[in-house]
Amino acid sequence: GENVEQHPSTLSVQEGDSAVIKCTYSDSASNYFPWYKQELGKGPQLIIDIRSNVGEKKDQRIAVTLNKTAKHFSLHITETQPEDSAVYFCAAGVKGNNDMRFGAGTRLTVKP
Amino acid sequence: KAGVTQTPRYLIKTRGQQVTLSCSPISGHRSVSWYQQTPGQGLQFLFEYFSETQRNKGNFPGRFSGRQFSNSRSEMNVSTLELGDSALYLCASSIRRPVEELFFGEGSRLTVL
Repeated sequence: GENVEQHPSTLSVQEGDSAVIKCTYSDSASNYFPWYKQELGKGPQLIIDIRSNVGEKKDQRIAVTLNKTAKHFSLHITETQPEDSAVYFCAAGVKGNNDMRFGAGTRLTVKP
Repeated sequence: KAGVTQTPRYLIKTRGQQVTLSCSPISGHRSVSWYQQTPGQGLQFLFEYFSETQRNKGNFPGRFSGRQFSNSRSEMNVSTLELGDSALYLCASSIRRPVEELFFGEGSRLTVL
């Protein structure tokens, strides 16, 4: 089955700096890669996703890149703000198979 | 539109007991998935229900079970609780299959003593 590894497990940045979180996956059939943000006491919320036919996707300060050959994808947050502080999860899934596999999460702290 | 509602939010049980958790998906969403979240393990997929049928199952023992009702509400049950079952149990709904965007509830935090 799919195995998703996520790094780093914790990340601390200064407000205004960029943050990068990386994930690798094992199943070459995976074709959908979402990123979720989980704030304290809440459930994860989808912030951006990318499909395997696209190499990069951007939404304001958030961008995701995908390298299918290397089986890795990354989340980039620019101009970080204190409200970006949360736990971020990557996931990988196969269209038609609803078993979405998640990484272990990255706790991002943005210092004001 | 109301989000995914999970009850109870917190509960404490002792080893050997059983527990039932409830999830009401977003109105119109027919797929309900359950995940177990523990520190350092991220989210582990338990199972997914669609049209009252289990469509997919993760790698958990048979003590973990679930069901879905005709109104798409779902319940999961854990029997013979063990200390290691202490976790946040998250329910997520999706409007259709195959599942892509998951809408998560706030979870039910289970503590087993």
